[in-house]
Formats: sequence, C-alpha cells, structure tokens
Amino acid sequence: KQEVTQIPAALSVPEGENLVLNCSFTDSAIYNLQWFRQDPGKGLTSLLLIQSSQREQTSGRLNASLDKSSGRSTLYIAASQPGDSATYLCAVTGRGTNAGKSTFGDGTTLTVKP
Amino acid sequence: DAGVIQSPRHEVTEMGQEVTLRCKPISGHNSLFWYRQTMMRGLELLIYFNNNVPIDDSGMPEDRFSAKMPNASFSTLKIQPSEPRDSAVYFCASSVNYSNQPQHFGDGTRLSIL
Repeated sequence: KQEVTQIPAALSVPEGENLVLNCSFTDSAIYNLQWFRQDPGKGLTSLLLIQSSQREQTSGRLNASLDKSSGRSTLYIAASQPGDSATYLCAVTGRGTNAGKSTFGDGTTLTVKP
Repeated sequence: DAGVIQSPRHEVTEMGQEVTLRCKPISGHNSLFWYRQTMMRGLELLIYFNNNVPIDDSGMPEDRFSAKMPNASFSTLKIQPSEPRDSAVYFCASSVNYSNQPQHFGDGTRLSIL
C-alpha cells in the first residue's frame, strides 16, 4: 500500500525567504507526482505535475523535483510572499495494480509573515 | 472556463437520512474522482471513474456509500443511511486522463450529520 509522508507538518518563515517542502513515498510504481495548494475552506489547486520520467518542473517561483528511485520529491518556493500562506499537499498516482489511484500526504501548512 | 462544480456547498442533516452529493466535471475531462477529507484521516480517494465507468471503488468505506456517473457531465455520491462519522468535506475532481494530466478540484461539499 502506497504511503505518502510530508515533512515538516508546519512551517513559518519571514517574507522573502526561500524554502523547501519535502514529500516521500513508499512505492515507486507511479505515473506522476503532483503538488497542490489548499487555502482554508477551499478545494485543491494544482501547482505542478511531474511525470515519472521527469526530474523536475518549474512554474514561476516554484520548482518541484522528483527522485523516483529514492521515493522523494521537494517543492522549492523562492522569495516567499504572505500570499503563499496555505497548506501544500503532494500526491502520487499509482500505476499497475494501483493504476489511477492517487494517494495524498497530510500536507505542510506554510505561514509567511510580512 | 468553468471549473469542477459541486453542489450543495454545505449540507446539514440528521443521521439516517439519505444524502446526495453532485458533481459536474470540466467538459472534455475523461476521469472523475471522489475524495473525502477529514482532520483525522486526511484526503482519501473513495472512487474514480474513467469514461463514465467505475474503475476502482476500494476506497468506498461501506455499502452505505454508492456513486454513479450516468454521463460524461454528471456524477453523484450517495450515502444511505447517513451516520455522524460520515461528516467530512467531500471533493470531486476531474482530469483529462489519470496518468499524465493534473486533477482539478471543486470547492467541496461540507457535510455535517447530526
């Protein structure tokens, strides 16, 4: 059974800092890994999707990396802003017998202080 | 471009009542997912459909839960009879396909069973 762990559970940083969120998973048989953002009372917003054959994806100030062999991914946020405050979740989509099934981590709650 | 539309946004009902949650996926998306989010268990996949066909319902907690997708633009998740432990936020998501395209989430239905 796939398990996804996110560390840390919560993070507080001053505005302008660069930061890294971590995600690890136990089963490397995946189609992709996706990073989401969730604001309070809202649904999830997709930030980046990395295919299993890719090493990283970038969008603006966000960069996500994937090391499938070690079961790890990182989300790097450059020059953080108060508007980045949210919960960030990673999810892996399985293949093979788990094809299409997405398993989510519990998230990292980020607070960026002005 | 309309996103995933869920209704109702909030539902409060007494235990034993039937509850029906509705979802309209993004037009052109072939995969649809139902999730449940609670503080204790995080975000869990309940069931997903591909081309209107249920592919994996192993996450459906009990026979009290059922889901249908009669056509490409509509899905329902039904709980009958409802119990207080079913209280959660239920999300619907859709994607072009589950293997290499991002999932897009609705804003969720917050369900409270008294």
